[in-house]
Amino acid sequence: TQLLEQSPQFLSIQEGENLTVYCNSSSVFSSLQWYRQEPGEGPVLLVTVVTGGEVKKLKRLTFQFGDARKDSSLHITAAQPGDTGLYLCAGAGNRDDKIIFGKGTRLHILP
Amino acid sequence: GAGVSQTPSNKVTEKGKYVELRCDPISGHTALYWYRQSLGQGPEFLIYFQGTGAADDSGLPNDRFFAVRPEGSVSTLKIQRTERGDSAVYLCASSLKGGETQYFGPGTRLLVL
Repeated sequence: TQLLEQSPQFLSIQEGENLTVYCNSSSVFSSLQWYRQEPGEGPVLLVTVVTGGEVKKLKRLTFQFGDARKDSSLHITAAQPGDTGLYLCAGAGNRDDKIIFGKGTRLHILP
Repeated sequence: GAGVSQTPSNKVTEKGKYVELRCDPISGHTALYWYRQSLGQGPEFLIYFQGTGAADDSGLPNDRFFAVRPEGSVSTLKIQRTERGDSAVYLCASSLKGGETQYFGPGTRLLVL
């Protein structure tokens, strides 16, 4: 069974600080996705990483896929209250159907 | 265009009752997915449709759960003899085709008393 472990589960930091959240697995994924979910809404895709070692930037967010395609990280620079939410990583296998989600990191940015 | 919509947004039912949850995917999307998200957890895959057929139903927890997509568009998730443990948010997603980016609906919050 493929599992994705996310850490930390909860993170509360002051506005302006930097943070990194991690997504780890013992399984290899063909691609890995990061989603953000707000209360009462479904997850919204932020980025998909496909190539081992790949780094993608989305404004203040930097996503990295591990060389072995088993892990990923999300780094946020100068966090803002609007970054508050549940960040989910999800891995896709070689089949084109289901994706496996981690439990998420609940991030709270204090103004 | 409109995103994925799900109805009802909230459903409260009693143990043992039957419920139906509806998903309207984005127009033209051939792939449709159902997930269940319990409190404090990430979404858990239930079933995937490609067109009218269930391509993968390995995530359905037991035979009380069933889903249909008769015309390849709207899908209904049906739960028989509901149990308190079925309480969760049921999410639907669609994609242009299998393997493409999935777009999620807001979910149906099911509470079984």
